[in-house]
Parts: sequence; C-alpha cells; structure tokens
Amino acid sequence: DGGITQSPKYLFRKEGQNVTLSCEQNLNHDAMYWYRQDPGQGLRLIYYSQIVNDFQKGDIAEGYSVSREKKESFPLTVTSAQKNPTAFYLCASSIDPFAAAGSNQPQHFGDGTRLSIL
Amino acid sequence: SQQGEEDPQALSIQEGENATMNCSYKTSINNLQWYRQNSGRGLVHLILIRSNEREKHSGRLRVTLDTSKKSSSLLITASRAADTASYFCATDPNTGNQFYFGTGTSLTVIP
Repeated sequence: DGGITQSPKYLFRKEGQNVTLSCEQNLNHDAMYWYRQDPGQGLRLIYYSQIVNDFQKGDIAEGYSVSREKKESFPLTVTSAQKNPTAFYLCASSIDPFAAAGSNQPQHFGDGTRLSIL
Repeated sequence: SQQGEEDPQALSIQEGENATMNCSYKTSINNLQWYRQNSGRGLVHLILIRSNEREKHSGRLRVTLDTSKKSSSLLITASRAADTASYFCATDPNTGNQFYFGTGTSLTVIP
C-alpha cells in the first residue's frame, strides 16, 4: 500500500546531541513537508521541499536541518541548537501543490515521531 | 502567525447529535481543507472546498465556506463515538508556498 512511513515512533535526545527523524513516501509525490505539533496546538511548518535537491524554510526552521537527495526521502535533523525540541513531529507529502495539475491537492501524513529530552 | 483559528477549542456531545466546528482565517485563499487527527496519530484529509464553492458534502460531513467573512464550518451529522478526534482546518493562501493549519477543535462523542 502507498503511504508515508516515519521512524522511529519515539525518540529521546540527550543534551548537545543531534538526532535525525526519518520520513519515506512511496506515493510518487514531489512535495514533502515537516511540521512540529506542540500539545494542544496546531501544526507549524519547519521545512518543505517541492523537488529533489531543493527545500525551503518554514516558519520555525531555526535549530533544524533537512536534505532531499531522493524523491522518496526527506529526513529531518533536530540539532543541538534547537533548545526546546520536545514535540510531536509530522511529515507529509503531496503532489506538487503549485503545479497547475496538482493544485487543490490534499496532504498525506505519516503517523509521527514523538521526540523527548533525556 | 497561523492563518486559521478553530472554534470551539473543545466540544463534547452525545452520540447521535450533530457537531459543528468553525474556522476563521486571515487572508485570501485558494482552498480550505479539513483534517482529522486521532490521538497520537497523523492527520487524515477529510474534505477540500475551493474558494469559488460555498458548500460541499461528503457522507456525514458538510462544509461551508464564506469568503466574505473569511470563515468555514464543518458539520458532522449523527455523530458516533468513533468520530472522537481533533479536527483542523488548513488554508492554502493564494500568496506564498505554505499551507497553514489552525489550532484545532477537540471533539469528544460520548456513547
């Protein structure tokens, strides 16, 4: 079945450590996104990528980094510079929403990674 | 800042009743989408309404859009315990390259 797989489901970070969250999709979608969700809050965009080897900062990119070397994969690294990393991280993908044929398309989400501080 | 805000923040109803939640947004949009999130899971797309549409139905869901008031509502009819979840609106502004999600309405349906 096509979908988005996030791993791990739970992750713990030690002080000063970088951690990488995995996101893989087999939907053949061009666009991929990373969101952060804090308890009782909506989603805030960290980074997004509309095409391989290109990505853009969202509203809260500081302390995070991404890469997009393959269409299927969009890993997120939470660096030690992110001082408050405890949150639920969601990855999503869509047909490029800004191509004429792909406009008005929904986003498909993975089941998230919950990151906590040790 | 976030584009969308849902109201109410939390809603508790009896099974069989209707649930209505509202979303307000700030700028002109191409479309507005509603998503559902079960506890600890990802979001699932429910329905999309384009800016030139006023009402849309999908099963027990009815969505309205009033672009003059910059608001949308989601109605779930004949609610079931399985409808218990958080519901988010997301807007696709016609400027910029981001989707913006609201703060969500937490719906509890009591059996």
